[in-house]
Amino acid sequence: EDKVVQSPLSLVVHEGDTVTLNCSYEVTNFRSLLWYKQEKKAPTFLFMLTSSGIEKKSGRLSSILDKKELFSILNITATQTGDSAVYLCAVEANTGNQFYFGTGTSLTVIP
Amino acid sequence: GAVVSQHPSRVICKSGTSVKIECRSLDFQATTMFWYRQFPKQSLMLMATSNEGSKATYEQGVEKDKFLINHASLTLSTLTVTSAHPEDSSFYICSAETGIRETQYFGPGTRLLVL
Repeated sequence: EDKVVQSPLSLVVHEGDTVTLNCSYEVTNFRSLLWYKQEKKAPTFLFMLTSSGIEKKSGRLSSILDKKELFSILNITATQTGDSAVYLCAVEANTGNQFYFGTGTSLTVIP
Repeated sequence: GAVVSQHPSRVICKSGTSVKIECRSLDFQATTMFWYRQFPKQSLMLMATSNEGSKATYEQGVEKDKFLINHASLTLSTLTVTSAHPEDSSFYICSAETGIRETQYFGPGTRLLVL
């Protein structure tokens, strides 16, 4: 059964802390892994990862994929209150272009 | 864990026809269901929010007469793309919310291609 599992389910940190969010997957015919930030309405796209070991970076956010161990991490350094959101991980499969979403990690950053 | 399914997973239709996409929560009752459309560069646009037994709330710019949403039960919501045109070709994803932790469970998506 194809699935995506995110951990932790929720996380509360103080401003300035660094956090690491995890996403592990078991998906047949893996095509890509995507990270989204969801605050209110639609998830906002953050990263798409297709190759192992190549870090993608955008400001204080970075992500890397390990296709051998079947997981990805999303790092956020020097967290700010505006980083508070649910972070979703999704894996796209080649078969039927299907997406498998995790249930998200709820991050709360306290001032 | 909670599972959301969509049917069909992919559909090809002729321009001018209508297409119905189903979203089902398989092992839980969804208080709210959401419909999204995927745009280039992987962005997701929220189209509408539907609650069982009431009219869907559409986001600005989404034509309610073109994208008909019916939420007939706590486990089923349907999106009908009426008089589909090639520009409606996209990937449509639904999600269902349980109300517990307000966790959203996403379906696998439906690929629509209008010829």
